[in-house]
Amino acid sequence: DAGVTQSPTHLIKTRGQQVTLRCSPKSGHDTVSWYQQALGQGPQFIFQYYEEEERQRGNFPDRFSGHQFPNYSSELNVNALLLGDSALYLCASSLFPTLSGDSPLHFGNGTRLTVT
Amino acid sequence: AQKITQTQPGMFVQEKEAVTLDCTYDTSDPSYGLFWYKQPSSGEMIFLIYQGSYDQQNATEGRYSLNFQKARKSANLVISASQLGDSAMYFCAMREQQAGTALIFGKGTTLSVSS
Repeated sequence: DAGVTQSPTHLIKTRGQQVTLRCSPKSGHDTVSWYQQALGQGPQFIFQYYEEEERQRGNFPDRFSGHQFPNYSSELNVNALLLGDSALYLCASSLFPTLSGDSPLHFGNGTRLTVT
Repeated sequence: AQKITQTQPGMFVQEKEAVTLDCTYDTSDPSYGLFWYKQPSSGEMIFLIYQGSYDQQNATEGRYSLNFQKARKSANLVISASQLGDSAMYFCAMREQQAGTALIFGKGTTLSVSS
């Protein structure tokens, strides 16, 4: 049973460029969330996708956008990269939370993005 | 104000000893969930344990237990019989029902286990 997979594992980009990160959720999961983790910090929520729609968004600018495909996989796009975008980007999958129960997030190994 | 506070940047323990990692939270939502994750140097966040705000008993998962004190708004993680493989960063996180599905993480505590 494959867990959450992310690609690529590492990426180096130049300021102003655009980047696309990819995520395949754990088998059976329908919801994908993206988090940004700066060095020495806890992860910060970027957004969540369910049924191919953005359901919730954190405090991130419009340069950060995403997509979810019919097979539940997801992409995170970041435009006009800044030095401050350098971080570990974590994808997490789960079942969509309901009032009757909570579903823990299962994370991938992350993509380490370096902006120079 | 910080929603999740982890006051111990680093903790050191010897093998087979128990260790408690502190976490306090701040919310006015009566319905919330508390999570602990482990992050080894490889980067993956590994789910350890969950406590719901309405759960009457403290959660336990193998060597992990969550000391949930609702009135104090604390959710400390207790690891019994520490192992070398427990050395990692540990994050406390909260999900508030009114705030949707996002997890709010603390800054983490680095645990180092020595032989």
